[in-house]
Amino acid sequence: KAGVTQTPRYLIKTRGQQVTLSCSPISGHRSVSWYQQTPGQGLQFLFEYFSETQRNKGNFPGRFSGRQFSNSRSEMNVSTLELGDSALYLCASSLDPSRGGGELFFGEGSRLTVL
Amino acid sequence: AQSVTQLGSHVSVSEGALVLLRCNYSSSVPPYLFWYVQYPNQGLQLLLKYTSAATLVKGINGFEAEFKKSETSFHLTKPSAHMSDAAEYFCAVSGYNQGGKLIFGQGTELSVKP
Repeated sequence: KAGVTQTPRYLIKTRGQQVTLSCSPISGHRSVSWYQQTPGQGLQFLFEYFSETQRNKGNFPGRFSGRQFSNSRSEMNVSTLELGDSALYLCASSLDPSRGGGELFFGEGSRLTVL
Repeated sequence: AQSVTQLGSHVSVSEGALVLLRCNYSSSVPPYLFWYVQYPNQGLQLLLKYTSAATLVKGINGFEAEFKKSETSFHLTKPSAHMSDAAEYFCAVSGYNQGGKLIFGQGTELSVKP
């Protein structure tokens, strides 16, 4: 069974540009969550999608957005990039942790560098 | 609001020694608690989780953790460290109906000396 696949693995952008990251969950998983990991702030929750609807949202500015498609694949977009957006962006999928307590399966991440 | 505190950003042990990584949580309701491990350039892998069943939880690779409500703690232990245990460890908490939203601690980097 294939794991969570994130693309691209590495990318470099300049300030002011936008970026789109993609996540393919494990087959059969309907929930996709996104996290930002930085040395200073650690792991922070961005948002979660389930059945194409955003179910939970973290405390990030509106420049961070996401969506989920009918096949459960998800994308996140960051517009008007800032230096502080440099981070490892992790995607995680799960069957349906609607009540919490479900295991999240993480991808290897997309490492974004903003110059 | 939920929060997690991991005591010690770096822990170093000798191979064969006890591993103890500390985690305290703050939650107004009974939480779900997790320990994840991250190896360099990889994503996170679940070691174990507490979901209000047994308070002593056994996980993969010989790790276990005990939920102590009175101390609001969920410390991770392993009786004998292996070199392959060197990694970063994250404690996380979520609440009922929070789905995929986890609140992570800052992480503890474990080094294992030969």
